[in-house]
Amino acid sequence: DGGITQSPKYLFRKEGQNVTLSCEQNLNHDAMYWYRQDPGQGLRLIYYSQIVNDFQKGDIAEGYSVSREKKESFPLTVTSAQKNPTAFYLCASMRGVNTEAFFGQGTRLTVV
Amino acid sequence: RKEVEQDPGPFNVPEGATVAFNCTYSNSASQSFFWYRQDCRKEPKLLMSVYSSGNEDGRFTAQLNRASQYISLLIRDSKLSDSATYLCVVIVGSQGNLIFGKGTKLSVKP
Repeated sequence: DGGITQSPKYLFRKEGQNVTLSCEQNLNHDAMYWYRQDPGQGLRLIYYSQIVNDFQKGDIAEGYSVSREKKESFPLTVTSAQKNPTAFYLCASMRGVNTEAFFGQGTRLTVV
Repeated sequence: RKEVEQDPGPFNVPEGATVAFNCTYSNSASQSFFWYRQDCRKEPKLLMSVYSSGNEDGRFTAQLNRASQYISLLIRDSKLSDSATYLCVVIVGSQGNLIFGKGTKLSVKP
């Protein structure tokens, strides 16, 4: 079955650590996105990529980094510079502009 | 004015009720519109796209009013399983950036 897979589902990070969230899709979609969702808040865009080897900052990119070396993969690194990383992270992909987005199951990151 | 605004609710309705949600958007160049459903602690899932002519899928009807810049979702004969948060999503710009509303929470009671 085609879809988007995020891993891990739950992740715990110690203060000062970098952690990487995985996002893989086999839908052959060009565009991929990372969002952050906090309780009572809407989804906020962290980074997006329209094509391999290219990505753009979203509204809240500070403290995060991404790479897009393969079409299928768009990992997100939460660096120690992100002061409040506890949140629900969602990866999405789209076939093209003006089409619907498909989401992975999300990664719930907690700082301990 | 926020880009996409929704009434956060919660909307508490009995089974069988009809409930309507509205969503307003600020960018008149917005191109595509969707309603997503998000269950607690889960990812959003597409409920339906919204077309200018309006569209219906079973108990769900979506409407778009470009002149007034709002979209709506009507749910008829509410079921317990309809309880969720409903997200209004608008696509803006040539790069297809999705803008999400904060969601409207619906709770259907027996």
